[in-house]
Amino acid sequence: DGGITQSPKYLFRKEGQNVTLSCEQNLNHDAMYWYRQDPGQGLRLIYYSQIVNDFQKGDIAEGYSVSREKKESFPLTVTSAQKNPTAFYLCASSTRQGRPDTQYFGPGTRLTVL
Amino acid sequence: DQQVKQNSPSLSVQEGRISILNCDYTNSMFDYFLWYKKYPAEGPTFLISISSIKDKNEDGRFTVFLNKSAKHLSLHIVPSQPGDSAVYFCAAKLYGGSQGNLIFGKGTKLSVKP
Repeated sequence: DGGITQSPKYLFRKEGQNVTLSCEQNLNHDAMYWYRQDPGQGLRLIYYSQIVNDFQKGDIAEGYSVSREKKESFPLTVTSAQKNPTAFYLCASSTRQGRPDTQYFGPGTRLTVL
Repeated sequence: DQQVKQNSPSLSVQEGRISILNCDYTNSMFDYFLWYKKYPAEGPTFLISISSIKDKNEDGRFTVFLNKSAKHLSLHIVPSQPGDSAVYFCAAKLYGGSQGNLIFGKGTKLSVKP
């Protein structure tokens, strides 16, 4: 089955620790995205990557870092510099040439920083 | 500055009746609009979309209407079913922007009562 996997589903970390969220896709999509959702808020773009070894900051990139060494993988690191890291994190992917509705989302990771 | 606004945080509708979810936008350079449906603790799933060159798109029980002069779009669900209960996000893509780089509204929680 093709799709996007995010692991783990729930993650707890102590304040001041860096944590890396996993995102893997087997859809052969070129572009991948990380969003953050807070209660009562829409999805806000953190980082996106349109091709391997290249990525761009989104609207709220401060305190986050990413890498794109493989087409299938786009891990997100939440660093200790992120002031409010507790949130629901969503990874998505899309084809570069397709219509915007070809964007697929993973099931999300809920990060809680204690 | 919110470019995509969903001013109703919640909507309650009786089963079998019509659900109308509204979305306003401010940027006239948006050329594609989408609706996503999201259940708790899951990633959003694509529902229906419309290009800015159209004013209506229909898919089964779901119809999206676009009024460019008013910068307003709406999603009609008829008849509404209890399984439609979810959060609905309106999203928009900028002309010339990355296919997957979408700007989301804050969402409207729809509750369909049996």
